[in-house]
Amino acid sequence: EAQVTQNPRYLITVTGKKLTVTCSQNMNHEYMSWYRQDPGLGLRQIYYSMNVEVTDKGDVPEGYKVSRKEKRNFPLILESPSPNQTSLYFCASSSRAGGPATQYFGPGTRLTVL
Amino acid sequence: GESVGLHLPTLSVQEGDNSIINCAYSNSASDYFIWYKQESGKGPQFIIDIRSNMDKRQGQRVTVLLNKTVKHLSLQIAATQPGDSAVYFCAETPYNFNKFYFGSGTKLNVKP
Repeated sequence: EAQVTQNPRYLITVTGKKLTVTCSQNMNHEYMSWYRQDPGLGLRQIYYSMNVEVTDKGDVPEGYKVSRKEKRNFPLILESPSPNQTSLYFCASSSRAGGPATQYFGPGTRLTVL
Repeated sequence: GESVGLHLPTLSVQEGDNSIINCAYSNSASDYFIWYKQESGKGPQFIIDIRSNMDKRQGQRVTVLLNKTVKHLSLQIAATQPGDSAVYFCAETPYNFNKFYFGSGTKLNVKP
């Protein structure tokens, strides 16, 4: 089944404790992206990747890092999480970078930073 | 930054009626527009898209209208069903198709 998977689905952590949210897709997609969703603000793009080793900032990259060492994986790293990073996070992928293509979203990761 | 917004946060319709969800965008350079549906506890799901060189596109029970003059996008759902109850987001991307900007969403409630 074609899908985007995220782990963990739920995470409660404390301020300053480094964490990684994994994202994997099995559709051989070039493009991958991370979003956060907060009430009343919709989805905001954190980082995106057009292909292996090619990443760029979205609208809200502060406090986050990403890497794209393999085509299928695009982990989101919070080096020192803070309470304002409490949010619902979505990973997405699409077949084509630089052109219109349908994005497929993962199920989401709900992160709480105490 | 970009500004993509919705006129109504909640829309209630009777089952079988048509629904219209609206969206405004601010960047005249936007080139590609997408509507997503998000059910409770799930990630957004693609519904329909439209390029800036079109003003209307139809899918199965859904139609997207684009008015570039007033920077307005709408999603029409025909014969709305209970399964259409969800939050609907519009999104847009400018020329590079890599950065996406989402609206804040409209919750559609379908009354049986």
